[in-house]
Amino acid sequence: QKEVEQNSGPLSVPEGAIASLNCTYSDRGSQSFFWYRQYSGKSPELIMSIYSNGDKEDGRFTAQLNKASQYVSLLIRDSQPSDSATYLCAVNKESNYQLIWGAGTKLIIKP
Amino acid sequence: DVKVTQSSRYLVKRTGEKVFLECVQDMDHENMFWYRQDPGLGLRLIYFSYDVKMKEKGDIPEGYSVSREKKERFSLILESASTNQTSMYLCASSPTGNTEAFFGQGTRLTVV
Repeated sequence: QKEVEQNSGPLSVPEGAIASLNCTYSDRGSQSFFWYRQYSGKSPELIMSIYSNGDKEDGRFTAQLNKASQYVSLLIRDSQPSDSATYLCAVNKESNYQLIWGAGTKLIIKP
Repeated sequence: DVKVTQSSRYLVKRTGEKVFLECVQDMDHENMFWYRQDPGLGLRLIYFSYDVKMKEKGDIPEGYSVSREKKERFSLILESASTNQTSMYLCASSPTGNTEAFFGQGTRLTVV
């Protein structure tokens, strides 16, 4: 079992709809959770961070964390073609300084 | 804004050459990381450093070494470049272990 798992996709969503991206993790001691967006040929950029159970909203983005189920998700409302990218989930490893990365989900927003 | 700067955006080197990839961050971050990213394999950690002159091996350190003589600078060294080291190399920094990482623009290295 991978430490951080994401569906590789591609996930195809119509423009204007809600895109839902999911991530599960194995380290129960993890405290910090991050979503990054990566455009093709570019480096990852941070979209959202979440540290406690529940929802955190920032504009069109909502991160959801459920530590009991070891699950973190990212919702993108009113999806735009510019949201087409690979979305990476990252989770801190309790025992050291590392972030553990999922392989990413490729999201395609269709006009 | 945090700025992480990698010395080259694109690099072409010959097999057997010694290659230096430089990374500088301007936010006084404690931690710095070197990753490589290949299609289908995701981000893989090569080395990281949590303090000046300190380094820890990541998941794929073979064929690489690092240097951190100053807090703001973290260098990745390919001792003898090989074609299987052709990849996108990403440098990142973070203030502490529980916080987000900030990435440089990446260096696309081609070894011929």
